[in-house]
Amino acid sequence: AQSVTQLGSHVSVSEGALVLLRCNYSSSVPPYLFWYVQYPNQGLQLLLKYTSAATLVKGINGFEAEFKKSETSFHLTKPSAHMSDAAEYFCAVSPSGAGSYQLTFGKGTKLSVIP
Amino acid sequence: EAGVTQFPSHSVIEKGQTVTLRCDPISGHDNLYWYRRVMGKEIKFLLHFVKESKQDESGMPNNRFLAERTGGTYSTLKVQPAELEDSGVYFCASSQAPEAIEQFFGPGTRLTVL
Repeated sequence: AQSVTQLGSHVSVSEGALVLLRCNYSSSVPPYLFWYVQYPNQGLQLLLKYTSAATLVKGINGFEAEFKKSETSFHLTKPSAHMSDAAEYFCAVSPSGAGSYQLTFGKGTKLSVIP
Repeated sequence: EAGVTQFPSHSVIEKGQTVTLRCDPISGHDNLYWYRRVMGKEIKFLLHFVKESKQDESGMPNNRFLAERTGGTYSTLKVQPAELEDSGVYFCASSQAPEAIEQFFGPGTRLTVL
């Protein structure tokens, strides 16, 4: 069984400040890990993914995440927040074996950026 | 290239009525997934098609939900009869075969059952 915990349903940062969104996972098999973003009235867009290659993953829009197996974490960061980053962010996990790649999501974190 | 499309974008129905949601995946994507987000909760997996076959339907909540994928192209998700707890946003996603990892999501259908 897999599960994802996102700490903080709402996070507010000032424009230009560091963005840190936390994600911890539980998985009985080596996982694939993902961060998705949902802007208002849009679908989920993939920000980045970890698939057992480099542990530091760079994504779109300046975001990156580091896979830490010992901490079972996959936190999302961005050095400097922009107003356009205001959205809801979802961490997700899927099993790495063949078969169904159904995603298990966290509850989401809404990011507000204060000017 | 067109993305995943879903219809309708919003649906408001009375308890006991029937609603059918449609998803058109990206052309050439054999894998099609349905997910649902009930208000305040996480997005949950419903089922997975590979072409026209159901690969995994372990997330379907009960037999009031029926999913089909005619000819391995678009998919429909029918709820009959709808209950209040079925309200939420229904997402569809697609990915390429055979072991595609990245899923491309549609904008979702917001279903409200009154």
